[in-house]
Amino acid sequence: AQSVSQHNHHVILSEAASLELGCNYSYGGTVNLFWYVQYPGQHLQLLLKYFSGDPLVKGIKGFEAEFIKSKFSFNLRKPSVQWSDTAEYFCAVISSGYSTLTFGKGTMLLVSP
Amino acid sequence: EAGVTQFPSHSVIEKGQTVTLRCDPISGHDNLYWYRRVMGKEIKFLLHFVKESKQDESGMPNNRFLAERTGGTYSTLKVQPAELEDSGVYFCASSQSAQGGEQYFGPGTRLTVT
Repeated sequence: AQSVSQHNHHVILSEAASLELGCNYSYGGTVNLFWYVQYPGQHLQLLLKYFSGDPLVKGIKGFEAEFIKSKFSFNLRKPSVQWSDTAEYFCAVISSGYSTLTFGKGTMLLVSP
Repeated sequence: EAGVTQFPSHSVIEKGQTVTLRCDPISGHDNLYWYRRVMGKEIKFLLHFVKESKQDESGMPNNRFLAERTGGTYSTLKVQPAELEDSGVYFCASSQSAQGGEQYFGPGTRLTVT
């Protein structure tokens, strides 16, 4: 069974600091990769996704992620975080031929002003 | 366009009681998914409908859980009888495409079994 590992459960940063959240997955075949975000009191929403093509994908609100197939990784980055980025971030994967998401445990990001 | 809606937003019930959760997907989305997050754990898949048919129910924990999607529109998830370990947040999601397409999530229903 596939699994997704997020390296940090809690991250605390000051505004303007750079962010990198790690994500590794276990499935060796073709995958679609996602980062979802849940802001306080809001729905889970898609931040960005990778299906194929350029391994560096850009999402909303200045976020980007890089797919490194050899490392089974899909790390999320943002060069300068804002207080409004405080949220829980989830990495997820769908294996080729399947339609259900496998999530990591989530990373709670707290950005202090 | 209205998003995925779920009802109720919170439910507190006693062990042994029955609870029914409802999900209304985005109009036109044939694919509907149920997920659950138990506190401190990851969000886990429960089942997937394509229209009114159960495509995959491999994530359903046991036979106390019954999901339906009559007419291929909204879906219900009934827990009967509820146990303490059923507490968590139940998410519903819908998508147009089943094969790796973006899933749109509802706000979730927080279920507490006491």
